Amino acid sequence: DGGITQSPKYLFRKEGQNVTLSCEQNLNHDAMYWYRQDPGQGLRLIYYSQIVNDFQKGDIAEGYSVSREKKESFPLTVTSAQKNPTAFYLCASTPGTGSASPSSYGYTFGSGTRLTVV
Amino acid sequence: QQQVKQSPQSLIVQKGGISIINCAYENTAFDYFPWYQQFPGKGPALLIAIRPDVSEKKEGRFTISFNKSAKQFSLHIMDSQPGDSATYFCAARTAGNFNKFYFGSGTKLNVKP
Repeated sequence: DGGITQSPKYLFRKEGQNVTLSCEQNLNHDAMYWYRQDPGQGLRLIYYSQIVNDFQKGDIAEGYSVSREKKESFPLTVTSAQKNPTAFYLCASTPGTGSASPSSYGYTFGSGTRLTVV
Repeated sequence: QQQVKQSPQSLIVQKGGISIINCAYENTAFDYFPWYQQFPGKGPALLIAIRPDVSEKKEGRFTISFNKSAKQFSLHIMDSQPGDSATYFCAARTAGNFNKFYFGSGTKLNVKP
């Protein structure tokens, strides 16, 4: 079955440590996204990528970094510069970024990674 | 500044009742309005969506009502069931060449048996 796989499901980070969250999709989608979810704040966009080897900052990119070396993969690194990293992180994808087809609208989300600072 | 404002934050409904969740927006460039359903520990899943040239869309027990002039849209869940208990997010997409969505803050729905 096609979908998005995020790993690990739970992640614990020590102060000053960088951690990387994995996101893999087998949907052949061009665009991939990272969102952060905090209670009562909905989902906020961290980074997005429209094509391989290209990505742009979202609304809350500070303290995060990404790479897009393969179409299927869009890992997110939470760096030590992110002062409040405890949150639920969601990866998503869409078929295309400029298509007018309704089938390209809407995200497919992964099951998320819950990151906790210890 | 939140682009999409959602209310209420939480909602308790008896089984068989109607659940209503409201969203409002300001940006007239939004061109697609989906609703997502999220169960605990899972990612959101697309539930139903509407475009601004339509005033209502119904899929089973779920209906979106859209008021373009008031810049408001709402989700109605008819005959609410305990299995509908989840968090619901409205969202709005900016038109153009990128599928960037702005999400509401979410409504936690609890349907009591």
